[in-house]
Amino acid sequence: AQKVTQAQTEISVVEKEDVTLDCVYETRDTTYYLFWYKQPPSGELVFLIRRNSFDEQNEISGRYSWNFQKSTSSFNFTITASQVVDSAVYFCALSELEGNEKLTFGTGTRLTIIP
Amino acid sequence: DTEVTQTPKHLVMGMTNKKSLKCEQHMGHRAMYWYKQKAKKPPELMFVYSYEKLSINESVPSRFSPECPNSSLLNLHLHALQPEDSALYLCASSQGVAGFGNEQFFGPGTRLTVL
Repeated sequence: AQKVTQAQTEISVVEKEDVTLDCVYETRDTTYYLFWYKQPPSGELVFLIRRNSFDEQNEISGRYSWNFQKSTSSFNFTITASQVVDSAVYFCALSELEGNEKLTFGTGTRLTIIP
Repeated sequence: DTEVTQTPKHLVMGMTNKKSLKCEQHMGHRAMYWYKQKAKKPPELMFVYSYEKLSINESVPSRFSPECPNSSLLNLHLHALQPEDSALYLCASSQGVAGFGNEQFFGPGTRLTVL
């Protein structure tokens, strides 16, 4: 069965520090997709990135970067030069090839950026 | 337009009331989802509609009744709810082609309180 673990329940950093959110997943499929979503206090989940299991290339988007390592089943998310607007709950999620895009979410990491 | 809208934003209802939540998207997506999210927990999948047909029901109690009148609209009819059903109800949509791991776009949610 698929499973996503976000061991960090809460993280607080001072503004402008870098922060990495960890995500470890389990799946028996060779084809799967990994996602990161942001949920600010307003409640809406905002899609950040999707990565398929055949693409281990790391990605950078502005201050955000993602490190996908199949060898350790991890898909970590780094925010560089954090800002107060980055304060939110971040969810890592997994979906497998078959399953109608059913997402398995991790328990989330609450990130607080201290001004 | 990458927007999913949900109405109402807040709903308070008694255990004997009947109410409905509404979700709409105009992105041409063919899969739509209902999730329930309790405080400090990840979203839990309730229902999936694919091409206007119910494809997944995650053993949700019958007091929750989904309806998909057309490809843009998704309703969740509520009847005889319990106080433990109080939660944030999130709607999402995706391109809906099984196996392609398409990202889901979420609405802002309806915060439901059952008295």
